[in-house]
Amino acid sequence: GAGVSQSPRYKVAKRGQDVALRCDPISGHVSLFWYQQALGQGPEFLTYFQNEAQLDKSGLPSDRFFAERPEGSVSTLKIQRTQQEDSAVYLCASSPYGPNTEAFFGQGTRLTVV
Amino acid sequence: AQSVTQLDSQVPVFEEAPVELRCNYSSSVSVYLFWYVQYPNQGLQLLLKYLSGSTLVESINGFEAEFNKSQTSFHLRKPSVHISDTAEYFCAVSETGGYQKVTFGTGTKLQVIP
Repeated sequence: GAGVSQSPRYKVAKRGQDVALRCDPISGHVSLFWYQQALGQGPEFLTYFQNEAQLDKSGLPSDRFFAERPEGSVSTLKIQRTQQEDSAVYLCASSPYGPNTEAFFGQGTRLTVV
Repeated sequence: AQSVTQLDSQVPVFEEAPVELRCNYSSSVSVYLFWYVQYPNQGLQLLLKYLSGSTLVESINGFEAEFNKSQTSFHLRKPSVHISDTAEYFCAVSETGGYQKVTFGTGTKLQVIP
């Protein structure tokens, strides 16, 4: 596609519910990033994939957060047993990898836990 | 590890006045630098970037930023702002090596006053 696509755009979950957020990166992009943007804050790094390999998950806030990219393209961020503090916009970005490249961001998924 | 500091959380400015949004970064290696803009209820958009070459970079809507390595700064400037520039602006940095994880500042809200 022309850009990074995320779905759903909005998700309301009851506390304790599991959610899955999808990211379709730009075709051919090797690198994929997930970020969390809480209200009034800058995006915070969650995790990084290079193709299907998850090389950095240092930003995942707890073991309730899990991400995968099994075929090196589409990625899913899963949050188990959601809590109110998980409410945020979740951003996905992809890039071609290599020097002089930049990350392209999707519109994000706004998750509200009630 | 890299970090970004945006000292001004909010900057009010009158329409047609000049503005400067400050950004300082910290990194032990060479970096790429970015400014992203986020309009109300919209996703992140890349405003301008420094990857290599000329240290003065410009956007299509009149913003410019200058990479100053000695002062580790990448301040954003515009000589005359418009109402439509009202948005939140994020400075970001990535290291040139590795997978270029992007680290964001906390953002500066630019409010243009008619």
